[in-house]
Amino acid sequence: DIQMAQSPSSLSASVGDRVTITCRASQSIGRYLNWYQQKPGKAPNLLIYAASNSPSGLPSRFSGRGSGTDFTLTITSLQPDDSATYYCQQSYGPPQTFGQGTKVEIK
Amino acid sequence: EVQLVESGGGLVQPGGSLRLSCAASGFTFSSYWMSWVRQAPGKGLEWVADIKQDGSEKNHVDSVKGRFTISRDNAKKSLYLQMNSLRAEDTAVYYCARDNIVVVVDDGIDYMDVWGKGTTVIVSS
Repeated sequence: DIQMAQSPSSLSASVGDRVTITCRASQSIGRYLNWYQQKPGKAPNLLIYAASNSPSGLPSRFSGRGSGTDFTLTITSLQPDDSATYYCQQSYGPPQTFGQGTKVEIK
Repeated sequence: EVQLVESGGGLVQPGGSLRLSCAASGFTFSSYWMSWVRQAPGKGLEWVADIKQDGSEKNHVDSVKGRFTISRDNAKKSLYLQMNSLRAEDTAVYYCARDNIVVVVDDGIDYMDVWGKGTTVIVSS
């Protein structure tokens, strides 16, 4: 199975900060990489698909990059509403696998 | 409105069975792969299973193979997860999700773009 390693596991940043989360796959997955945001008690919400594509309506401060084994999710200007856990997921599988999550807190 | 609504969760004893359902609305259900994803209390997300549009292809994570079966009824716009021989480690919120696809160069890349709110399964004596 393809393993997905996210870092950091948690971070605390201030409103307006630039935040970057990384995700590394145990083998090359091309651009088969998606990002989700999950708030406590809620279902995950799609943020980025195919490494760098954004669903319509997504705030422009969220962006994704990468291909092969190394990927990043960047929030250019952190907002209070961005407090959540972020997961990367590879769909190159099966089985599809998720990273362990990165919890983002606002200072 | 595009919507997925799960049902069928509850408290079950170890070794018991449950059947989860997911009712789809607002989109052409028969045109999409569909998935189940679960989340144990305080843990991350785990993909459980997916199924092709016509039900002819199914995939299950190793930890549920032989115990869980994904299925669908396109006429009823419904997705199911039959769970047998349940274990304590199956305790989780179970989400159904729509699998969408985007073509990037020559690759069809899957992603889950619509999620239900989840149904809770607790396996305990």
